[in-house]
Amino acid sequence: DGGITQSPKYLFRKEGQNVTLSCEQNLNHDAMYWYRQDPGQGLRLIYYSQIVNDFQKGDIAEGYSVSREKKESFPLTVTSAQKNPTAFYLCASSIGRGGETQYFGPGTRLLVL
Amino acid sequence: GENVEQHPSTLSVQEGDSAVIKCTYSDSASNYFPWYKQELGKRPQLIIDIRSNVGEKKDQRIAVTLNKTAKHFSLHITETQPEDSAVYFCAATHSGNTPLVFGKGTRLSVIA
Repeated sequence: DGGITQSPKYLFRKEGQNVTLSCEQNLNHDAMYWYRQDPGQGLRLIYYSQIVNDFQKGDIAEGYSVSREKKESFPLTVTSAQKNPTAFYLCASSIGRGGETQYFGPGTRLLVL
Repeated sequence: GENVEQHPSTLSVQEGDSAVIKCTYSDSASNYFPWYKQELGKRPQLIIDIRSNVGEKKDQRIAVTLNKTAKHFSLHITETQPEDSAVYFCAATHSGNTPLVFGKGTRLSVIA
């Protein structure tokens, strides 16, 4: 999991602002995932991508958008439509397209000003 | 789709005792079951996993058991130590194009 990086570590969002969280991996993994974690809660899937230029909605995709233009990069944009964005965001990747171990990045904590 | 239930949500044990966390899953096609440990403010890290062709797997003080008939699997930690204190997540999926489905987590506290 040392091959997955997320930036920034902390991010502050103002009202009505879109912000983008970065996720990069150098593991040559096919699949990448975004999860949201609220205090005391589990991991909820936002979006995932199993191949470049393709992605699927997870359980809580509303208010978020993603792109997968390169195999190693899967940025997440938190739009102004997401009314309660304060959370810990985790990116993960796996070698295949399902049924394998997922490795997590260090996370980005998003706070609303 | 798959649904994973995890119990208990919190667990306190005395140092040196054993801890057991249980998960049930709904999709009989699921065949991969990892366990992750997440320390406060850190990323979840894989500690052990099991596939459906195996009933039990051990790694030092950690073991996982799988009962496919009952559709449940459990994490066993023996001789617990304070550094075992963390949140533990179970997950399930089947081979193919499906992401892992996670349980809601168990907060384990090991009291010295």
